[in-house]
Amino acid sequence: DAGVIQSPRHEVTEMGQEVTLRCKPISGHNSLFWYRQTMMRGLELLIYFNNNVPIDDSGMPEDRFSAKMPNASFSTLKIQPSEPRDSAVYFCASRAMDHEQFFGPGTRLTVL
Amino acid sequence: TQLLEQSPQFLSIQEGENLTVYCNSSSVFSSLQWYRQEPGEGPVLLVTVVTGGEVKKLKRLTFQFGDARKDSSLHITAAQPGDTGLYLCAGAFSNYQLIWGAGTKLIIKP
Repeated sequence: DAGVIQSPRHEVTEMGQEVTLRCKPISGHNSLFWYRQTMMRGLELLIYFNNNVPIDDSGMPEDRFSAKMPNASFSTLKIQPSEPRDSAVYFCASRAMDHEQFFGPGTRLTVL
Repeated sequence: TQLLEQSPQFLSIQEGENLTVYCNSSSVFSSLQWYRQEPGEGPVLLVTVVTGGEVKKLKRLTFQFGDARKDSSLHITAAQPGDTGLYLCAGAFSNYQLIWGAGTKLIIKP
């Protein structure tokens, strides 16, 4: 199994630009999580999907952030417009039922 | 607000020494997980403790869950350079929500 796949691995963009992060969960997993990790705030849950349906998006910072899961094998996290304070490592994780979460390698986002 | 305080934040020791990392909270968790994260990668689950007082061993790593399920510790015996990494604890209080500690950055010097 290839594990959770995220792309791109690194993204450098300018303030105001749209950023789209992509995630392919492990096949057969029915839960998907988007996290953000920074030195200051550690790991923060942004949104949780179960069976492709957003269950908890209370961690999404503001309206500039949106996430979709059109099918069981793909999810996106979009930031529009991006700001320097959005710079962080964004992780996607997937899980089967109530078992452990498997994290992807992350996308390191830098907004200049 | 549920918090999980992890200490120390940073630890640099010589190979062969022992160390303990702590996670403490005023909240009761249904389970507590320990992860290790290496640079450029996502966290990887090491162990989940569920029962108050539970002790689990993973080679030289010993994990303990407090009797009241509010705190946990990770003890490493005879640390090796391969143990270097960021150790994270996470307390579960629902079927999906984890409260994360800030992490302990561990460096083991040869």
